Amino acid sequence: AQSVAQPEDQVNVAEGNPLTVKCTYSVSGNPYLFWYVQYPNRGLQFLLKYITGDNLVKGSYGFEAEFNKSQTSFHLKKPSALVSDSALYFCAVRAVGGNKLTFGGGTRVLVKP
Amino acid sequence: NAGVTQTPKFRVLKTGQSMTLLCAQDMNHEYMYWYRQDPGMGLRLIHYSVGEGTTAKGEVPDGYNVSRLKKQNFLLGLESAAPSQTSVYFCASRQGGYGYTFGSGTRLTVV
Repeated sequence: AQSVAQPEDQVNVAEGNPLTVKCTYSVSGNPYLFWYVQYPNRGLQFLLKYITGDNLVKGSYGFEAEFNKSQTSFHLKKPSALVSDSALYFCAVRAVGGNKLTFGGGTRVLVKP
Repeated sequence: NAGVTQTPKFRVLKTGQSMTLLCAQDMNHEYMYWYRQDPGMGLRLIHYSVGEGTTAKGEVPDGYNVSRLKKQNFLLGLESAAPSQTSVYFCASRQGGYGYTFGSGTRLTVV
């Protein structure tokens, strides 16, 4: 069975500092990997995805993520965090050829001014 | 283009009552999914459908039933609601590619 681990329940960072949200995954075969963000009382918004090719993926709002196959990781990064980045972030995986998208437990990001 | 629409947005049920959550998409997507979101547990897949007339179980299907009689609609039913089914429910759809479109959620409380 496929799974996603987000080891940190919460990440605190000062505005302007780099932000990293960790994600590791387990899946049979090759993965499709996704990051979503959720603001309070809202649905999920797509940030970025890894399908194939370049291991560094750039997404919306200045976010990027690096796919590392040997470490089965897909960490989300932003060079300079904003207060408005405070939200709940989810990593998700789907096996190539599969139908199910599996989510991690989520990481709450708090960016302090 | 409304995308994925969930009805209702909020509902309070008494234990033992039944209800149906409706998910409607206007993008002609083949695949549709129902998830529940609980604090600290992320989103867990309840049931999904790979096309009109098909349904399949996800991670947490017990206590729920689904139907996909029309391609654009995916219904989630609770036959006898329990407090453990208090959650936020999200519907999602996708076509053959990689992008999932999520609805805005239904907040269900079972008392």
